[in-house]
Amino acid sequence: GAGVSQSPSNKVTEKGKDVELRCDPISGHTALYWYRQSLGQGLEFLIYFQGNSAPDKSGLPSDRFSAERTGGSVSTLTIQRTQQEDSAVYLCASSLGRAPYNEQFFGPGTRLTVL
Amino acid sequence: GESVGLHLPTLSVQEGDNSIINCAYSNSASDYFIWYKQESGKGPQFIIDIRSNMDKRQGQRVTVLLNKTVKHLSLQIAATQPGDSAVYFCAENQGNEKLTFGTGTRLTIIP
Repeated sequence: GAGVSQSPSNKVTEKGKDVELRCDPISGHTALYWYRQSLGQGLEFLIYFQGNSAPDKSGLPSDRFSAERTGGSVSTLTIQRTQQEDSAVYLCASSLGRAPYNEQFFGPGTRLTVL
Repeated sequence: GESVGLHLPTLSVQEGDNSIINCAYSNSASDYFIWYKQESGKGPQFIIDIRSNMDKRQGQRVTVLLNKTVKHLSLQIAATQPGDSAVYFCAENQGNEKLTFGTGTRLTIIP
């Protein structure tokens, strides 16, 4: 079946502009995660959605970052007034149930470059 | 804060040999560990996991060893193949929904 998909695969933007990154999780997966991966680094947790529960936003680095998940499926990560330090690969993952004991399936990521 | 770290950032292994990738963690409350493989341009892929009530777990060509006394985790890959070339991450969890990832080790298989 289809895996987690993300769009766009690459995004180049100018400093100060807003960007939206999209994630389509695996159908039926109730949990969805966003991570950020800077060059040569591990993954940094950003936000977690589980079903209809309030999302865990504890990993968002600033109030310029926000995310929503509509209808328990597609999620959008929005970065407002982008800064150069926001340049990274943004990865989305979904799992069938509540983490961590349900395997997270990752998408290919969106590479964001802020000029 | 707590962190997960790796001893070596790069590792080169001759094809057919065994490889060992190491990971140190500092949070004694961590009770679940996962190894991920990330190939270039792709998201991480689950390899194998282990819970803290175990010290060894085996999969197909992979073995994870957990030493809670020294807070050390290792991934052994047997009979390495070119397709094993990738960055390998360990991740730890303390029973919540979040994973804490290490910085990764790049494994290169030499033909």
